[in-house]
Amino acid sequence: DAEITQSPRHKITETGRQVTLACHQTWNHNNMFWYRQDLGHGLRLIHYSYGVQDTNKGEVSDGYSVSRSNTEDLPLTLESAASSQTSVYFCASSESGAYNEQFFGPGTRLTVL
Amino acid sequence: AQSVAQPEDQVNVAEGNPLTVKCTYSVSGNPYLFWYVQYPNRGLQFLLKYITGDNLVKGSYGFEAEFNKSQTSFHLKKPSALVSDSALYFCAVREDGGRRALTFGSGTRLQVQP
Repeated sequence: DAEITQSPRHKITETGRQVTLACHQTWNHNNMFWYRQDLGHGLRLIHYSYGVQDTNKGEVSDGYSVSRSNTEDLPLTLESAASSQTSVYFCASSESGAYNEQFFGPGTRLTVL
Repeated sequence: AQSVAQPEDQVNVAEGNPLTVKCTYSVSGNPYLFWYVQYPNRGLQFLLKYITGDNLVKGSYGFEAEFNKSQTSFHLKKPSALVSDSALYFCAVREDGGRRALTFGSGTRLQVQP
């Protein structure tokens, strides 16, 4: 069965370190998204991609970057981790049509000390 | 710009009673509306969506939602709540012709008491 996976599921890091969160989907979806979930804020969009070599900034993109070198993967990099980036991160993917639902990964809980 | 509001942080209902989780939205054009459910330590699961057509949309696990254009609302409903429905529910919107990313509400925690 097709799926979307994230790794690691839990990560503890220190302030200033670079961290990369992996996202891999086997749906062959063109659209991929990264969100962060914080209490009281719901899910907020960090970055998104409509296809290979395409990336776009979301509402909370400062301090994060993504790259899309193939259809299956959209890794999220925190260039220099900050305590404010402690959160749960979700990756999602969808087919190209605007009315298509997104499928979510299980999430990565990141703690920055 | 697109936005979503879920006015209730928590909804409490007794098992067997009907439940409603409220959602209102704001878009410039036509909306695509979605409901997702999140169980503890899990990702979001898709429940249902409104694209066009019939204002009453039926989805997974007996849930349904009613689209009301004049009130810009998309409330989630279920005729008879189960304890297993207890979870966090998110409404989301995407504007037709806009970017393909969703804008989510802040979430409503549904607590169904036995």
